[in-house]
Amino acid sequence: EIVLTQSPGTLSLSPGERATLSCRASQSISGNFLAWYQRKPGQAPRLLIYRASNRATGIPDKFSGSGSGTDFTLTISRLEPEDFAVYYCQQYGSSPAYTFGQGTKLEIK
Amino acid sequence: QLRLQESDSGLVRTSQTLSLTCAVSGGSISRAGYSWSWIRQSPGKGLEWIGNIFHTGNTYYNPSLQSRVTISVDRSNNQFSLKLTSVTAADTAVYFCAREGGFGMFDYWGRGTLVTVSP
Repeated sequence: EIVLTQSPGTLSLSPGERATLSCRASQSISGNFLAWYQRKPGQAPRLLIYRASNRATGIPDKFSGSGSGTDFTLTISRLEPEDFAVYYCQQYGSSPAYTFGQGTKLEIK
Repeated sequence: QLRLQESDSGLVRTSQTLSLTCAVSGGSISRAGYSWSWIRQSPGKGLEWIGNIFHTGNTYYNPSLQSRVTISVDRSNNQFSLKLTSVTAADTAVYFCAREGGFGMFDYWGRGTLVTVSP
């Protein structure tokens, strides 16, 4: 099983700042099948990034993903109030086919 | 626009069977190239993939739950279902249904339904 470790657990920033979230895999993720999601209370997760660096449909370009192998990053530039949420990374490939990180809570400083 | 809606299971007694249905609208569940998953999130914990079903009817389950899980599809009603047997308090969670749209990404999700297991 590929374990995804996200850091930091909580990130406190102010609107207008840049957020950098990390996701590290216990093994290399084949094909870079790594996605990022935003989760707000009471809502379903929202797909932001797929295959490490591709923005999903309708996602603004302030969200960007990078990385390969075992180290991946989600960057959110110019934070706005609606960006404060919990962010999860997720991999596809090894059994179990899909695993998620434990999440990074992005909170307003 | 594709929409997924989980049924409401609410309270399930310990050792009983949890049953949920995900109704899909705005697209056919039988369309090739996609799979349909159940995912859950226990209170204060992360997301856990339970299993999925393909348009062919093939199913795959998380090994940690495999002995208790069955996912099935009802093509006539464009929905798919989850059964989880012998539930315990550890199965208390928000259960989501989702579509895997290729590249291992879940591009459409239901809003989730809270299932509480109690004695």
